[in-house]
Amino acid sequence: GNSVTQMEGPVTLSEEAFLTINCTYTATGYPSLFWYVQYPGEGLQLLLKATKADDKGSNKGFEATYRKETTSFHLEKGSVQVSDSAVYFCAPLIKAAGNKLTFGGGTRVLVKP
Amino acid sequence: GAGVSQSPRYKVAKRGQDVALRCDPISGHVSLFWYQQALGQGPEFLTYFQNEAQLDKSGLPSDRFFAERPEGSVSTLKIQRTQQEDSAVYLCASSFIRREGLAGAGELFFGEGSRLTVL
Repeated sequence: GNSVTQMEGPVTLSEEAFLTINCTYTATGYPSLFWYVQYPGEGLQLLLKATKADDKGSNKGFEATYRKETTSFHLEKGSVQVSDSAVYFCAPLIKAAGNKLTFGGGTRVLVKP
Repeated sequence: GAGVSQSPRYKVAKRGQDVALRCDPISGHVSLFWYQQALGQGPEFLTYFQNEAQLDKSGLPSDRFFAERPEGSVSTLKIQRTQQEDSAVYLCASSFIRREGLAGAGELFFGEGSRLTVL
């Protein structure tokens, strides 16, 4: 079946630390891959995406590379800020499932000053 | 406003009551999705509309759940005879892209959600 697994949180970091959130998926074919972010008190919003193998999505200092071989789309940021405190969701768009976004369980990140 | 608007933001219902949750998508957006998000979990797909047509309702958990979008704009999610397991945040999202594999599919604009608590 189709599924997505992302690392469980919470992840607590100090400002300027390096952040990695792992995400792997199982799906037939090659889905488009997305990271969504939910800041406190706000709705989900698109952070970045990649639509084919080896594509790198980037936004707000975050990056993720579509790794077909390992079916992964890990999110990274080299130097986090307090304002990056949020819940991050990995979400493949699986064509075989009717082009639905299938969300992971979310990873809560807390950045301390 | 410019974003997706949902109301009410918070709803407390007694078990057995009917509830209606409203979503006002971004003007002109063709696609509209409803998701259910339980506490500490990721959103789970409920149903999808393309304009006024409900093309996918495979995620609705039971026949107590019903959604409509009669004029292709505002949508209502109705839950009849609510149960405690229905307690969750209900998210609405819209997109100017049809769902079928076009560039930009998956780029959704979400509302802040309606938090339903069933006592």
